[in-house]
Amino acid sequence: QKEVEQDPGPLSVPEGAIVSLNCTYSNSAFQYFMWYRQYSRKGPELLMYTYSSGNKEDGRFTAQVDKSSKYISLFIRDSQPSDSATYLCAMRDSGAGSYQLTFGKGTKLSVIP
Amino acid sequence: EAGVVQSPRYKIIEKKQPVAFWCNPISGHNTLYWYLQNLGQGPELLIRYENEEAVDDSQLPKDRFSAERLKGVDSTLKIQPAELGDSAVYLCASSPTAYNEQFFGPGTRLTVL
Repeated sequence: QKEVEQDPGPLSVPEGAIVSLNCTYSNSAFQYFMWYRQYSRKGPELLMYTYSSGNKEDGRFTAQVDKSSKYISLFIRDSQPSDSATYLCAMRDSGAGSYQLTFGKGTKLSVIP
Repeated sequence: EAGVVQSPRYKIIEKKQPVAFWCNPISGHNTLYWYLQNLGQGPELLIRYENEEAVDDSQLPKDRFSAERLKGVDSTLKIQPAELGDSAVYLCASSPTAYNEQFFGPGTRLTVL
């Protein structure tokens, strides 16, 4: 079992739909949780960053972390065709020297106009 | 502000040939990372530099891979000789320190024939 599991999709939704993307993890030491967006032929870019459990909202994006279940989610409201990309979850722990990110496989999302 | 620059963007070589990738990080970023991203997978760390020092190269296959970051700015990743299984995207990222957001370049897509 990999440390971070993410359904690779692909996921196809109509424009305006609410999208839910998820990752599960096994390492209880993970404290920092991130969502990256990667467009085709581009590098990943940081979308959301959350520390420990709870919710964080930024415009149409909401990130949720449930450490008790080892489960994180990214919600996209009113999805747009420009949201079509691969979404990667990433996480790391908070120990000294713990800088290394562990990524999920990524979920490929297509938003259809 | 210019982002992380990588070249070449694409490279096709025959197996057993050498290949080199170049990365210019964001100005002022002390930490530089090289990642490997296979198709349908998340990035995996190969090596991390703090200034000119390679502080974590535990996941770099040292029999054929080498890297350098002279003067603590630009970095080069080399493979010699390349194998078919090395076909992937090689991503460079940089951050002000190891605990800050990582900014990724567009990657170099390597195809080994």
